[in-house]
Amino acid sequence: DADVTQTPRNRITKTGKRIMLECSQTKGHDRMYWYRQDPGLGLRLIYYSFDVKDINKGEISDGYSVSRQAQAKFSLSLESAIPNQTALYFCATSDFGGPASTDTQYFGPGTRLTVL
Amino acid sequence: SQQGEEDPQALSIQEGENATMNCSYKTSINNLQWYRQNSGRGLVHLILIRSNEREKHSGRLRVTLDTSKKSSSLLITASRAADTASYFCATDKGFQKLVFGTGTRLLVSP
Repeated sequence: DADVTQTPRNRITKTGKRIMLECSQTKGHDRMYWYRQDPGLGLRLIYYSFDVKDINKGEISDGYSVSRQAQAKFSLSLESAIPNQTALYFCATSDFGGPASTDTQYFGPGTRLTVL
Repeated sequence: SQQGEEDPQALSIQEGENATMNCSYKTSINNLQWYRQNSGRGLVHLILIRSNEREKHSGRLRVTLDTSKKSSSLLITASRAADTASYFCATDKGFQKLVFGTGTRLLVSP
């Protein structure tokens, strides 16, 4: 089974709808991240969480909110979706601080979101 | 805003040739990482180089870092068709908040 999973993998929704994207990990990492990818712009950080009680805004948090339900789960919500939120969304995890820490991030397969 | 700019935006080569892609960034960093993305899929970590390192190797990959020029290069030797993907550099100032470049699309033809 994949270490970082995202649901749904594809979603089409309408302007104004609330939508939640979910991420689960079995890597036991404390740190989790949400990114969006637009064509030609690379990945941009939306929110990140260094542990269950520590949630921080990234570069482009407006219009998004997150919930860290447990170490293994980090959800991204669009309260009222708009067409320019159409993008590919990625969740990632990383380990930090331990003797085997690699400072690298492990990505889920992505959710393709279309807002009509 | 993007920290890294990658060059070229697209690269097309034949199998067996070497592929070189470059990344420039704007501020001082703790480390720089390279990731690969196959069409529309999740990113896979390739290699990390720390700010006090100048060169690093991993299999057919060679990464260099020049902190005075704020630039890095990724060399893939003896390219294979399976290397066809987009390659992204990402910089880390030390808090594991990565800032990604815009990517290089590599096409390796058989």
